[in-house]
Amino acid sequence: QQQVKQSPQSLIVQKGGISIINCAYENTAFDYFPWYQQFPGKGPALLIAIRPDVSEKKEGRFTISFNKSAKQFSLHIMDSQPGDSATYFCAALKGGSQGNLIFGKGTKLSVKP
Amino acid sequence: ETGVTQSPTHLIKTRGQQVTLRCSSQSGHNTVSWYQQALGQGPQFIFQYYREEENGRGNFPPRFSGLQFPNYSSELNVNALELDDSALYLCASSRGGAGQETQYFGPGTRLLVL
Repeated sequence: QQQVKQSPQSLIVQKGGISIINCAYENTAFDYFPWYQQFPGKGPALLIAIRPDVSEKKEGRFTISFNKSAKQFSLHIMDSQPGDSATYFCAALKGGSQGNLIFGKGTKLSVKP
Repeated sequence: ETGVTQSPTHLIKTRGQQVTLRCSSQSGHNTVSWYQQALGQGPQFIFQYYREEENGRGNFPPRFSGLQFPNYSSELNVNALELDDSALYLCASSRGGAGQETQYFGPGTRLLVL
């Protein structure tokens, strides 16, 4: 049973465009939702995170939109750049779950010049 | 860079052997979590160590074990290696405690089991 479903699997965007990656979750006990960026051969790097009491959070070109009733959240990358080409993972964590981040399967983003 | 370091960077073992992977947590962090990332997949939680004790475990068999030391560094040990154990092993450190969920990942150890 996949607790966090991520789409699309891959995404191609032109430089300057908006990249949108979506995630859906099932467990309403999740209360922390981070997004990670991973380059080939590297560990995941935290981009931005949100809690369910907030509907949107913005940090630079990265925005998380959160819809608690639909149990969905998404990452928007504004003004996408070739350097943003990487794999992006959404994740979710239950309060008090001793660090058990549940990851989506990832989205491979390619930003074309 | 997160300040989380892992060693070695790459490792090749044969089926049935044992392996030990090491992780140094970021300064000020007392909690280490280990994850397994198969090729093309998201990381999967193995277990977490807090104050030198296992503090949560994912769906991994007992041949996956760990340690945490007084300086909060950690080891992951895998016995009786299987071909499916080939993966990137990631450790992540965090401050621990309520409201301190943010986990910072190291670069990983790439393990190949032949």
